[in-house]
Amino acid sequence: GAGVSQSPSNKVTEKGKDVELRCDPISGHTALYWYRQSLGQGLEFLIYFQGNSAPDKSGLPSDRFSAERTGGSVSTLTIQRTQQEDSAVYLCASSQGGDPANEQFFGPGTRLTVL
Amino acid sequence: AQSVTQPDIHITVSEGASLELRCNYSYGATPYLFWYVQSPGQGLQLLLKYFSGDTLVQGIKGFEAEFKRSQSSFNLRKPSVHWSDAAEYFCAVSPRRNDYKLSFGAGTTVTVRA
Repeated sequence: GAGVSQSPSNKVTEKGKDVELRCDPISGHTALYWYRQSLGQGLEFLIYFQGNSAPDKSGLPSDRFSAERTGGSVSTLTIQRTQQEDSAVYLCASSQGGDPANEQFFGPGTRLTVL
Repeated sequence: AQSVTQPDIHITVSEGASLELRCNYSYGATPYLFWYVQSPGQGLQLLLKYFSGDTLVQGIKGFEAEFKRSQSSFNLRKPSVHWSDAAEYFCAVSPRRNDYKLSFGAGTTVTVRA
């Protein structure tokens, strides 16, 4: 079946603008993750959704970042008042559950450039 | 602080030669260990994982990794590299069972020369 998809693949925005990044997980996967990959660095955990449980937002770097997951499927990561340091690749992953034994399947990412 | 270290930022290897990528972690207990590969323009793909048992694990695409508790290492190896192995490789750690937060190393970029 289809893998994890993300849109847009590239986003260029001006400092101070808001952006929305979309993730479509694999159908049936209850767990969804957002990561940020900055240049020359590994992936940084941002947020985790599992079923109907309250999301784990402990990785969000500031209150300008928020995310929601509607109907246990599609997720949107919103960055308000973007800053240049927000420039990165934002990766979404999904898995059958939150146990690390369940493989996380990653999307191709959204490359965000803040001018 | 708990961390995952990949000491080599960039490795160049000739096609057909062997490859070893290093990964060290600093966690108190034996964590769950993973290697992912990221090809240009694509998402990360799981190569292999270690949870317990045999310390030599086999993965996809001819890769293997060995867990060494005494060295806190989980190095990735391939006996004979193909040009298609050119990619970025990430080591990742889950500190404990039921901890869904993976901590990633900074990655190692592998270039394969003909």
